[in-house]
Amino acid sequence: RKEVEQDPGPFNVPEGATVAFNCTYSNSASQSFFWYRQDCRKEPKLLMSVYSSGNEDGRFTAQLNRASQYISLLIRDSKLSDSATYLCVVNNPNTNAGKSTFGDGTTLTVKP
Amino acid sequence: DAGVIQSPRHEVTEMGQEVTLRCKPISGHNSLFWYRQTMMRGLELLIYFNNNVPIDDSGMPEDRFSAKMPNASFSTLKIQPSEPRDSAVYFCASSSTSGRHDTQYFGPGTRLTVL
Repeated sequence: RKEVEQDPGPFNVPEGATVAFNCTYSNSASQSFFWYRQDCRKEPKLLMSVYSSGNEDGRFTAQLNRASQYISLLIRDSKLSDSATYLCVVNNPNTNAGKSTFGDGTTLTVKP
Repeated sequence: DAGVIQSPRHEVTEMGQEVTLRCKPISGHNSLFWYRQTMMRGLELLIYFNNNVPIDDSGMPEDRFSAKMPNASFSTLKIQPSEPRDSAVYFCASSSTSGRHDTQYFGPGTRLTVL
């Protein structure tokens, strides 16, 4: 079993739709969680950190469920520019000096 | 602030040649990571350094790959001899472990093609 698992998709949605991605992790000692975004032929970039209480940044909402060991990303009112691959990232800074484990990514295509 | 700098951005070489990829991390960051990304295998961690010391090189494919970090502002990833299956995008990333959240910042990558 992979340490971080994501549904690869692709998710094809119309503009304005709401879409949600889930990610599960296997290491219960994991402490930091992130969503990264990667555009085609570009580097991954941090989208948002995920906090225990959940957090929102505009149209994006990230949630963490420690008991079930999953994190989620919700995108509301999706835009064409949201088309990208979304990578789930899990980190345990206490055991690995800054090492993060990346999921394989979920591909989103938003269509007109 | 300058981000992570990688060079070259593109490299085309012939099988058997030596390839050297370079990375300058963000100033003040004490962790540096080398990744390889392909369509088939996704993003793979090759090696990472903390305070210039290699911590985990278990992702390095084989002896043809080597990485060094002689100082806090420079790292190299070398492939010798290169093979066509090494063709991929190689990313360097850096982070600071002094904070609670160890966000990694990626460079633009080096797109390597081995013919």
